[in-house]
Amino acid sequence: AQKVTQAQTEISVVEKEDVTLDCVYETRDTTYYLFWYKQPPSGELVFLIRRNSFDEQNEISGRYSWNFQKSTSSFNFTITASQVVDSAVYFCALSEGITQGGSEKLVFGKGTKLTVNP
Amino acid sequence: GAGVSQSPRYKVAKRGQDVALRCDPISGHVSLFWYQQALGQGPEFLTYFQNEAQLDKSGLPSDRFFAERPEGSVSTLKIQRTQQEDSAVYLCASSPTRNYEQYFGPGTRLTVT
Repeated sequence: AQKVTQAQTEISVVEKEDVTLDCVYETRDTTYYLFWYKQPPSGELVFLIRRNSFDEQNEISGRYSWNFQKSTSSFNFTITASQVVDSAVYFCALSEGITQGGSEKLVFGKGTKLTVNP
Repeated sequence: GAGVSQSPRYKVAKRGQDVALRCDPISGHVSLFWYQQALGQGPEFLTYFQNEAQLDKSGLPSDRFFAERPEGSVSTLKIQRTQQEDSAVYLCASSPTRNYEQYFGPGTRLTVT
């Protein structure tokens, strides 16, 4: 079965600190996609990144970086030099079943609430 | 361009009433998803359409929940005889094709009293 675990429920940091959000997933598929979404207080989920299971290269986008390690089934997200505007709930998600023509539904973790204080 | 829109944004229903929630996906998007998000939780999958075909409804919690997308564009999620446990935010998402990221609407917050 598919499962996504975000063990950190809440994290609080001071502006300019670096912070890493952990994500561990479980799947029996060899082909799958991993995602991170941001949900600010306004409520709308904002897409951040999609990574397929065959691409283990780390990715950097501005202050954001992602570390994908199949050996530990983890897809961690780091924000460098955090800012108050980064305050939000961050969700990690998994999509599988693609090779079986599945529905590509997203299985989400419970989310990590990040608060960046000035 | 316009994103995914949902209406109404807020809905209060008395227990036992029927409700209908609407989703307008991004124009041209083939795939459409409905999710339910309880307070403090991650979204949970309800159902999936590819064009007008409902390919997966495994997440619908009971036969009181029904979704349709008759012309492959706008979708409606209907909940009959609402119960208090149906109170949640209902999120709609669309994607242009298979194996692509999903774009979410603002959600409809349903409160059943």
